[in-house]
Amino acid sequence: AQSVTQLDSQVPVFEEAPVELRCNYSSSVSVYLFWYVQYPNQGLQLLLKYLSGSTLVESINGFEAEFNKSQTSFHLRKPSVHISDTAEYFCAVSESNQGGKLIFGQGTELSVKP
Amino acid sequence: NAGVTQTPKFRILKIGQSMTLQCTQDMNHNYMYWYRQDPGMGLKLIYYSVGAGITDKGEVPNGYNVSRSTTEDFPLRLELAAPSQTSVYFCASKMGQGFSYEQYFGPGTRLTVT
Repeated sequence: AQSVTQLDSQVPVFEEAPVELRCNYSSSVSVYLFWYVQYPNQGLQLLLKYLSGSTLVESINGFEAEFNKSQTSFHLRKPSVHISDTAEYFCAVSESNQGGKLIFGQGTELSVKP
Repeated sequence: NAGVTQTPKFRILKIGQSMTLQCTQDMNHNYMYWYRQDPGMGLKLIYYSVGAGITDKGEVPNGYNVSRSTTEDFPLRLELAAPSQTSVYFCASKMGQGFSYEQYFGPGTRLTVT
């Protein structure tokens, strides 16, 4: 069965520092991978996704994630974070035969300090 | 467009009471989902629907029921509330099965069962 593990529950960083949020998955078939962001007291918003093609995907606000099939990872990175990036980030996976159903990781709380 | 709306925002139930969490979307989406979010656990799929009149179980359906009589509405029913159902509930929707379609989330309902 597929599963998603986010290796860090909390990541505190200072403003303008780089950050990496780690995500590993397990699956025996082709997968689609997603990162969602949840700002305080809001629902989840799609940040970026990998479906096929280039293994490096980017969001409009400077985040990027790289699909690594050999390491079954989809880590999220940003070279310089802002206070406004403070949020909870969820990695999610769906197998190609699962009709759009998502399996979420436990979430990583990113806290950006001035 | 209001997107995905959920009511109520907050609710406190006593053990054994019943209630319905409402979810409405105005984007004419076929697919709708109910998730619960527990601290440190990520989101778990409760039920989903691929169109009016069609529903199916997710990972954690026990203690819940759903119906989908219209495209717009997907209510979640708790018949005999238990403390284990204390959680934040999110409704989501998307247009179709493919992953080019993004899931849109509502703002959530925070439920406490005491």
